[in-house]
Amino acid sequence: GAGVSQSPRYKVTKRGQDVALRCDPISGHVSLYWYRQALGQGPEFLTYFNYEAQQDKSGLPNDRFSAERPEGSISTLTIQRTEQRDSAMYRCASSLGTSGYNEQFFGPGTRLTVL
Amino acid sequence: AQSVTQLGSHVSVSEGALVLLRCNYSSSVPPYLFWYVQYPNQGLQLLLKYTSAATLVKGINGFEAEFKKSETSFHLTKPSAHMSDAAEYFCAVTYHNNDMRFGAGTRLTVKP
Repeated sequence: GAGVSQSPRYKVTKRGQDVALRCDPISGHVSLYWYRQALGQGPEFLTYFNYEAQQDKSGLPNDRFSAERPEGSISTLTIQRTEQRDSAMYRCASSLGTSGYNEQFFGPGTRLTVL
Repeated sequence: AQSVTQLGSHVSVSEGALVLLRCNYSSSVPPYLFWYVQYPNQGLQLLLKYTSAATLVKGINGFEAEFKKSETSFHLTKPSAHMSDAAEYFCAVTYHNNDMRFGAGTRLTVKP
């Protein structure tokens, strides 16, 4: 398909384990965003990239969270030493341009459950 | 900091009735404003956006929103609700950066 894809769609892990969440943006989209969405809440900005450069990581909750996009396409969000409070839906979005007014296209999300 | 507030976490209307979902933003500079819709088990889809052109913005599925600077509002409306409009709706704001801030969402229920 031509949309944003994320994998895995569901991830269950034990507290203390590391997890890696993958986002494959729409081909040609230069900006990529990561959000976290708790149940009953709107998405919460985590970080974003223009091409391979991480532009803003102010939304990452703490240093256990990191993200990369080494070739300016696929991105990975890594959570180290997971905690139960990390359980949420993690959403990725991409946009064609680098400006904030460009439409963001969202993927289906990865539901992370930390036991 | 930029933010949006959505008044009413749940709104229920009858089929054919007016839909009004409220959104207010906080800003000291002109914002970009968006409405997204989320259907169950799906990603968010853009309904419409305001980027400082016309203050009345028309979107998909018959929705529209009006930017009112004096009221710092960007309410979403649709003249006649359809059963297929039942979903969760999110208002979002960004400025000249890419840090998009979403509201908590409003769940719309449409009664037959």
